[in-house]
Amino acid sequence: DVVMTQSPLSLPVTLGQPASISCRSSQSLVFSDGNTYLSWFLQQRPGQSPRRLIYKVSNRDSGVPDRFSGSGSGTDFTLKISRVEAEDVGVYYCMQGTHWPHSFGQGTKLEIK
Amino acid sequence: EVQMVESGGGLVQPGGSLRLSCAASGFTFSTFWMGWVRQAPGKGLEWVANISPDGSDKYYVDSIKGRFTISRDNAKNSLYLQMNSLRDEDTALYYCARGGAYLDHWGQGTLVTVSS
Repeated sequence: DVVMTQSPLSLPVTLGQPASISCRSSQSLVFSDGNTYLSWFLQQRPGQSPRRLIYKVSNRDSGVPDRFSGSGSGTDFTLKISRVEAEDVGVYYCMQGTHWPHSFGQGTKLEIK
Repeated sequence: EVQMVESGGGLVQPGGSLRLSCAASGFTFSTFWMGWVRQAPGKGLEWVANISPDGSDKYYVDSIKGRFTISRDNAKNSLYLQMNSLRDEDTALYYCARGGAYLDHWGQGTLVTVSS
């Protein structure tokens, strides 16, 4: 099974400063169709439904601010926030949908310093 | 508007059974992969199961194989998760989500508590 490893697990950030979260997979996430099924989600509060931010590594979902960007390939991926705002607080998860069973990273908790 | 509403959660004793339902609306249900994701109290997200649009392909996380069954009724725009032989560690908020390789819309979740 593919193991997804995020770092850091805790990320204190000053408002207006950039933030970066790493996600590494134990196997390449390139699917046989050439796509890489790596997504990023934000869960703003415990018990609140996660919201997808990024799909296929770098595609932003509708309504997601352009301060969010995704990059990477193969086994190494990154979510970047160019300037953190208060509404960005929460837990970020990466998820691979290339290999069965699908799997999530442990989560990275972003908080404001 | 895409919407999924889960139901069927509750308190059940270890070894018991529950059937979760997810009512979908706002999209052509029969053309999408659907799945379940769970979150134990204070823990992260765990992918549970997925089912193909016609129900012919099903995938499960190892920890539930042989105990849980995912199914769907496209005529009713509904997704199900039959959970048998429930264990304490199955206690979680269970989310219904649209998609296979990537989950683009999620329901609000239904809470399953396994306890004696």
